[in-house]
Amino acid sequence: SQTIHQWPATLVQPVGSPLSLECTVEGTSNPNLYWYRQAAGRGLQLLFYSVGIGQISSEVPQNLSASRPQDRQFILSSKKLLLSDSGFYLCAWKHRGRGKLFFGSGTQLSVL
Amino acid sequence: ELKVEQNPLFLSMQEGKNYTIYCNYSTTSDRLYWYRQDPGKSLESLFVLLSNGAVKQEGRLMASLDTKARLSTLHITAAVHDLSATYFCAVDVLISNFGNEKLTFGTGTRLTIIP
Repeated sequence: SQTIHQWPATLVQPVGSPLSLECTVEGTSNPNLYWYRQAAGRGLQLLFYSVGIGQISSEVPQNLSASRPQDRQFILSSKKLLLSDSGFYLCAWKHRGRGKLFFGSGTQLSVL
Repeated sequence: ELKVEQNPLFLSMQEGKNYTIYCNYSTTSDRLYWYRQDPGKSLESLFVLLSNGAVKQEGRLMASLDTKARLSTLHITAAVHDLSATYFCAVDVLISNFGNEKLTFGTGTRLTIIP
């Protein structure tokens, strides 16, 4: 069966510090991968998606970046965090083509 | 730009009552998803609606899709406390000729069931 791992679960970082969130998927190949952000009490905003290794599409201009160094690994990064980067970050995957998303457990990021 | 709107945003209802959450979207799509999120948790898939007129039911929840009206509904029957959560609808948008898609989520409806 397929599983998705996302870590860390909670992160508190000072403004201006770097960020690295990692997500890995097991039990499938060539998944589509996604990073979403959810501000407190709000909906989900798609940040990045990837349909293959090294292929990253950005949805929203920001100081975040994403990389996909391996087929089932998706990384969200920042060189310098802003207060506005606080939120709940969710990694998700789906099979190629159409279908539902499977979400990771999420990372609660607080930038202070 | 695709817009997905849900209403109401907040819903407080008594146990045993019925209610409906509405999801409107602004572009043509023949597929819609419903998710549930408990506080501080991730999203759990509830329903996948694959075509116009599709209806899916699971326990006290029933979802339907009208692609012509660009409307989906999530109906709650005889609500119980365990259904308290935030519910999201999501609409898919094709991003390539290979059928890959990305989901745009609605604003969410925070449902609170009062004993």
